[in-house]
Amino acid sequence: ELKVEQNPLFLSMQEGKNYTIYCNYSTTSDRLYWYRQDPGKSLESLFVLLSNGAVKQEGRLMASLDTKARLSTLHITAAVHDLSATYFCAVDELYGNKLVFGAGTILRVKS
Amino acid sequence: DTAVSQTPKYLVTQMGNDKSIKCEQNLGHDTMYWYKQDSKKFLKIMFSYNNKELIINETVPNRFSPKSPDKAHLNLHINSLELGDSAVYFCASSQDGMGINNEKLFFGSGTQLSVL
Repeated sequence: ELKVEQNPLFLSMQEGKNYTIYCNYSTTSDRLYWYRQDPGKSLESLFVLLSNGAVKQEGRLMASLDTKARLSTLHITAAVHDLSATYFCAVDELYGNKLVFGAGTILRVKS
Repeated sequence: DTAVSQTPKYLVTQMGNDKSIKCEQNLGHDTMYWYKQDSKKFLKIMFSYNNKELIINETVPNRFSPKSPDKAHLNLHINSLELGDSAVYFCASSQDGMGINNEKLFFGSGTQLSVL
């Protein structure tokens, strides 16, 4: 059974600092997603990572995938307050059509 | 013990049938949700209940009716199923409602609905 673990679960950081959120998963998969959720909103898709070594960047966020290590990272560069949200990683079950979600990381960026 | 459990995991049915998906959480949370996962894996909220009261009702057809007998349960009943209803439906819960500090969601494992 596929399990997805995120850490940290809560992250409080100062503006301008860098940090990384980690997502580990337990069985083989070829697709990993990062989502952002703002209060009162649905989950918004940030990145889809489809292959080993995939790296995607959008603004101050960069996501990478190492399928051999079963690890994805979401790196935050020079954080700003607007990045405060909850971030979820989710992994596609191989041969399935369902996502398995991590527990989410609450990110708070302080001015 | 599973925190948020939903049943069934898979549901295959004919067009026009009525079906229900059940969700239960043992986390003591006040708020529960139903999300629909579309073909692009985007999760869109359908309903949110806080302490058995409907808080969010997105533009979902009337054929979808949530029912919350108590704050630990939120069931989804779907009438007259259509092909376009085929999707994965996720139940989730949170300690507080959306917009309050601790908005982190705990997801169920999903129900894959296939309408033939």
